[in-house]
Amino acid sequence: DAKTTQPPSMDCAEGRAANLPCNHSTISGNEYVYWYRQIHSQGPQYIIHGLKNNETNEMASLIITEDRKSSTLILPHATLRDTAVYYCIVRVARDGNNRKLIWGLGTSLAVNP
Amino acid sequence: GAVVSQHPSRVICKSGTSVKIECRSLDFQATTMFWYRQFPKQSLMLMATSNEGSKATYEQGVEKDKFLINHASLTLSTLTVTSAHPEDSSFYICSARRGNGNEKLFFGSGTQLSVL
Repeated sequence: DAKTTQPPSMDCAEGRAANLPCNHSTISGNEYVYWYRQIHSQGPQYIIHGLKNNETNEMASLIITEDRKSSTLILPHATLRDTAVYYCIVRVARDGNNRKLIWGLGTSLAVNP
Repeated sequence: GAVVSQHPSRVICKSGTSVKIECRSLDFQATTMFWYRQFPKQSLMLMATSNEGSKATYEQGVEKDKFLINHASLTLSTLTVTSAHPEDSSFYICSARRGNGNEKLFFGSGTQLSVL
């Protein structure tokens, strides 16, 4: 199962872009990269996912390197409400129907005023 | 986006009692639901996977007789912590997957269980 490595914590100034890195050097060709975030004492929230192309939605952008061994989540204009733990996850195949996501410790992002 | 409702959000109970946590998908049918446990400053640990109409699949080390899971309909899964003890105190989170092939998981808001 592919694993991910993220810095334990990061700081970002309000209004600035937050760039959260993730290494997944053992990712397989058919595995996706997912990003979720968890605000304190709440359930995780889906942000974005991708296979090999860069992706963008209303929340963030996902940049995946050409060799797919790392990726970066970009929050273009961070706000105080973006303070959370951000998880980078590589999907593993458990069996034909159920797929298990393996959660690491994530990056604790603090957005400062 | 899809909504998953989980309740109660917080429960305090005496040691030896049982606690039921409900997880509902409000605007979609969830063929698969997942139950997680999270201790302070730790990551989510998958406890079990439940599929509608069949028995749950438990992760290694999770006692199926202690953590009873029922997924009787496409919109409801329940987790019952039986004979709860202080070491069962934790944050329990459910998630639901909409249909097959949709890899986005939608999470409940979590239940903080405190066993006295």
